[in-house]
Amino acid sequence: NAGVTQTPKFRVLKTGQSMTLLCAQDMNHEYMYWYRQDPGMGLRLIHYSVGEGTTAKGEVPDGYNVSRLKKQNFLLGLESAAPSQTSVYFCASSYQTDYEQFFGPGTRLTVL
Amino acid sequence: AQSVTQPDIHITVSEGASLELRCNYSYGATPYLFWYVQSPGQGLQLLLKYFSGDTLVQGIKGFEAEFKRSQSSFNLRKPSVHWSDAAEYFCAVCVSGTYKYIFGTGTRLKVLA
Repeated sequence: NAGVTQTPKFRVLKTGQSMTLLCAQDMNHEYMYWYRQDPGMGLRLIHYSVGEGTTAKGEVPDGYNVSRLKKQNFLLGLESAAPSQTSVYFCASSYQTDYEQFFGPGTRLTVL
Repeated sequence: AQSVTQPDIHITVSEGASLELRCNYSYGATPYLFWYVQSPGQGLQLLLKYFSGDTLVQGIKGFEAEFKRSQSSFNLRKPSVHWSDAAEYFCAVCVSGTYKYIFGTGTRLKVLA
């Protein structure tokens, strides 16, 4: 049981490049989330999903897109990376009826 | 709008001393409250949670937290800190019906030997 995994762990992009972050969970959770963590700002919700095929915007969705084609996977895309998107990105998941979120180890992204 | 405030950005305590980390929330209804811990370079791990019932909740690693409705607080405590408790601690509120969390900005704990 791997829990929540994230790929890749580190990435450096140039401004304007695109990339996709992959989150996978093997706990059969309905809900999945993408956060970004910046110094002094805690975690801010980018997008979330309440089930396969559904997504919704969080607090800071601009510049990001997501997809949930399979229940166990939640993808976060950056179409045209900007330096302001330099951050640590965390994926999380939770049961439908339990509010505890389980977090992945994070992806550190640097945009030059 | 809902919000979570952790007024202490950094706290330093000596090993063996007691610890209290403060958390205040702004929320119209009874919230679901959480404390998470993040070790350097790691994801977040749940310490404890409060949904309803007994206002003093016990968590892992010897931590406890007390929900005080009148003060809109959910402070985290530990009677005797260990060097391995050095980490960043986040308080969070769950927005009922949406499954969305609002996190505080975190308190970084340093433990002196």
